[in-house]
Amino acid sequence: EDKVVQSPLSLVVHEGDTVTLNCSYEVTNFRSLLWYKQEKKAPTFLFMLTSSGIEKKSGRLSSILDKKELFSILNITATQTGDSAVYLCAVVMNYGGSQGNLIFGKGTKLSVKP
Amino acid sequence: DVKVTQSSRYLVKRTGEKVFLECVQDMDHENMFWYRQDPGLGLRLIYFSYDVKMKEKGDIPEGYSVSREKKERFSLILESASTNQTSMYLCASSSPRRGTSGSYEQYFGPGTRLTVT
Repeated sequence: EDKVVQSPLSLVVHEGDTVTLNCSYEVTNFRSLLWYKQEKKAPTFLFMLTSSGIEKKSGRLSSILDKKELFSILNITATQTGDSAVYLCAVVMNYGGSQGNLIFGKGTKLSVKP
Repeated sequence: DVKVTQSSRYLVKRTGEKVFLECVQDMDHENMFWYRQDPGLGLRLIYFSYDVKMKEKGDIPEGYSVSREKKERFSLILESASTNQTSMYLCASSSPRRGTSGSYEQYFGPGTRLTVT
């Protein structure tokens, strides 16, 4: 069965800390991996990762994919209270009728305290 | 910017009522999706559509149906609402057309929080 597992499920840090969120996957036909940030409403897209070892960066956020070990990490440096959210990892399927469908992890809830 | 809109942010319905949730996207995307999101269970796919009048069951289609008469609009229908369908419902869309290259990243609407009493 295809699955995506995120860890930890929740995390509480203080402003200025650096955090690493983990996403591992077991998928038979992998196309790409996506990270989303979800605050009170809809998930908003952060990164798409397709190739191993190439870091994607956006400000204080960065992410990397390891297709050999089947995982990805999302790093946030110098955290701010505005980073508080649920971070979702999803894998894009690449075959048959499910092509383009996403399998989501359950998310990591990050709380950043002032 | 891609825009995905949903007809209601909050909805309260009674058990047994027929419920329509509407989703519209303005980016000419081929693929549209309906998810529900529940605490501890994450996002689960109910139905998806990759073309007008086409639909496919996702992981939890029971109790739901969908309609896609126009490319930009994807409707989720609860034929007879039940209390276990109380949830947050999220619509999403993506491009490109299946079988072609592309990223398939999905863009989400703001969600509809449905309460069935």
